[in-house]
Amino acid sequence: GESVGLHLPTLSVQEGDNSIINCAYSNSASDYFIWYKQESGKGPQFIIDIRSNMDKRQGQRVTVLLNKTVKHLSLQIAATQPGDSAVYFCAENQGKLIFGQGTELSVKP
Amino acid sequence: KAGVTQTPRYLIKTRGQQVTLSCSPISGHRSVSWYQQTPGQGLQFLFEYFSETQRNKGNFPGRFSGRQFSNSRSEMNVSTLELGDSALYLCASSLTQGYGYTFGSGTRLTVV
Repeated sequence: GESVGLHLPTLSVQEGDNSIINCAYSNSASDYFIWYKQESGKGPQFIIDIRSNMDKRQGQRVTVLLNKTVKHLSLQIAATQPGDSAVYFCAENQGKLIFGQGTELSVKP
Repeated sequence: KAGVTQTPRYLIKTRGQQVTLSCSPISGHRSVSWYQQTPGQGLQFLFEYFSETQRNKGNFPGRFSGRQFSNSRSEMNVSTLELGDSALYLCASSLTQGYGYTFGSGTRLTVV
């Protein structure tokens, strides 16, 4: 079916630690994946994307890893800050965005 | 440059009424997509328009419709509102279909 699921609904980390948010996708033919951050009262904000011909892509403090063998996507946030507290969604492009359920990241000071 | 603008931000309607939501994309973006976000179902695709043509449609009843104008602005309409239509409706625009979506802040619709 068309679904992108997240393994953990909530994640609590200490400020300064690294965070890892995971995502499983179902369509092995998907060629483009995106991570979004959504803060309360706002729309999803683009964080980083990756195409299926890549295994890893790095941004500022964020890294996305793609494992096509097991259809798994992860978002790593380095030195997590209180401002990183939000809900994080992975999305799979199938001509339309198929979103995961979201993981709520809480950063403890 | 200005982001994606959605109006109104909040809306309260009564069951059976209809509602029209508006989305102004980023200047130059020709693709506009609509999503419904609820706590139970998450983010679900409604439809996508490109150059005034509907290019893709999600699994929603015919009460949900949309259109895009020549200036790329888009509207979505929901007729005969039901309580379950209460949701955050998000619009996203992109230069081309399929990539680089930027979302607006959404319209919070409450049906009473």
